[in-house]
Amino acid sequence: KAGVTQTPRYLIKTRGQQVTLSCSPISGHRSVSWYQQTPGQGLQFLFEYFSETQRNKGNFPGRFSGRQFSNSRSEMNVSTLELGDSALYLCASSPQLSINYGYTFGSGTRLTVV
Amino acid sequence: AQTVTQSQPEMSVQEAETVTLSCTYDTSENNYYLFWYKQPPSRQMILVIRQEAYKQQNATENRFSVNFQKAAKSFSLKISDSQLGDTAMYFCAFTPYNTDKLIFGTGTRLQVFP
Repeated sequence: KAGVTQTPRYLIKTRGQQVTLSCSPISGHRSVSWYQQTPGQGLQFLFEYFSETQRNKGNFPGRFSGRQFSNSRSEMNVSTLELGDSALYLCASSPQLSINYGYTFGSGTRLTVV
Repeated sequence: AQTVTQSQPEMSVQEAETVTLSCTYDTSENNYYLFWYKQPPSRQMILVIRQEAYKQQNATENRFSVNFQKAAKSFSLKISDSQLGDTAMYFCAFTPYNTDKLIFGTGTRLQVFP
């Protein structure tokens, strides 16, 4: 059974540009969440989607947005990129509404903003 | 605020020995879940072990076990018979019951030496 797939694996963007990251959850998983990992701030929750609805959002500016499609695939978008947006972006999926049984994570997208 | 603290930034252990990673957390919730995740150089976060706060019995998964002290809000991970493949960053994480986000600690980098 395929795991959580994130594309692209690496990305380099220029300050001011926008970027879209993609996540395909494990087949049958309907909950998808996104996390940002940086050396300074560690792992921080971005948002969570279930059945195409955003159920929860972390403390990030409005430049960070996401969506989920009917096949549970999810995208996150960052507009007007800043140097501080350089990070590893991790996607995770869960079969249930809550994550009490733990997520399955992807290998992440490493975003570098120059 | 709910926080997770891992006080050991780095640890090392010799192959076949036992090592314990510390984690404390702060919450006013009574029902919650605790996790240990492992992040090897491949970047994928892998669930190591999970503990439900209402269960007094400590969780065990093969060579991995936890010492869960609810009153002290402590959740340490013991790795027995350490293997070279255990080399990774280890993150302690917490989620209140039926919420949708993990709160992570800052991680402990574990190096297993031959």
